[in-house]
Amino acid sequence: GAVVSQHPSRVICKSGTSVKIECRSLDFQATTMFWYRQFPKQSLMLMATSNEGSKATYEQGVEKDKFLINHASLTLSTLTVTSAHPEDSSFYICSASGGAQFFGPGTRLTVL
Amino acid sequence: GQSLEQPSEVTAVEGAIVQINCTYQTSGFYGLSWYQQHDGGAPTFLSYNALDGLEETGRFSSFLSRSDSYGYLLLQELQMKDSASYFCAVRVSGGYQKVTFGTGTKLQVIP
Repeated sequence: GAVVSQHPSRVICKSGTSVKIECRSLDFQATTMFWYRQFPKQSLMLMATSNEGSKATYEQGVEKDKFLINHASLTLSTLTVTSAHPEDSSFYICSASGGAQFFGPGTRLTVL
Repeated sequence: GQSLEQPSEVTAVEGAIVQINCTYQTSGFYGLSWYQQHDGGAPTFLSYNALDGLEETGRFSSFLSRSDSYGYLLLQELQMKDSASYFCAVRVSGGYQKVTFGTGTKLQVIP
């Protein structure tokens, strides 16, 4: 099946710093990518829909200035958590859509 | 918006059959997917139903009734490795066909 990668798989950062997470579709072109967040023992919550060459569409309650999304090419979308705080600690998962939807392995962010 | 309901936990015996139900409310329904997620891992795709009926893939089957806004995942010949969380997810129509996940069902398989 299609492969989606994420980098880094784990990141620990200090409060107030920014963290960038990359999501790549390795063997197909993804016109649309999705970013999810999952807190412990909870479901995946869609944060935003990222479209190549246009602005991301954010779900209600998600701060677009805090979670910056860039989808500069058909194989790469990035999520930047700006001025991270401990409550942003979570499991961030991307998925790429090229017809069917494929999930990346996730990035575990811990903000100290 | 969308809402999906699943049982929070299910326990079943190794070798048995278990059914995980999912009811949903959504506009622009396009299809129902099922995902498996082990602790610490990302979700992996199991099955997808766009039409009413049963889809079988090995030990796993998935059923959809669009008129009842209901579906289920059936796992047969349970194995210990099937212990995981299972999520139903609706795909809604529209330009992006985004996927919204249910609350998840934690399945524990016991010897």
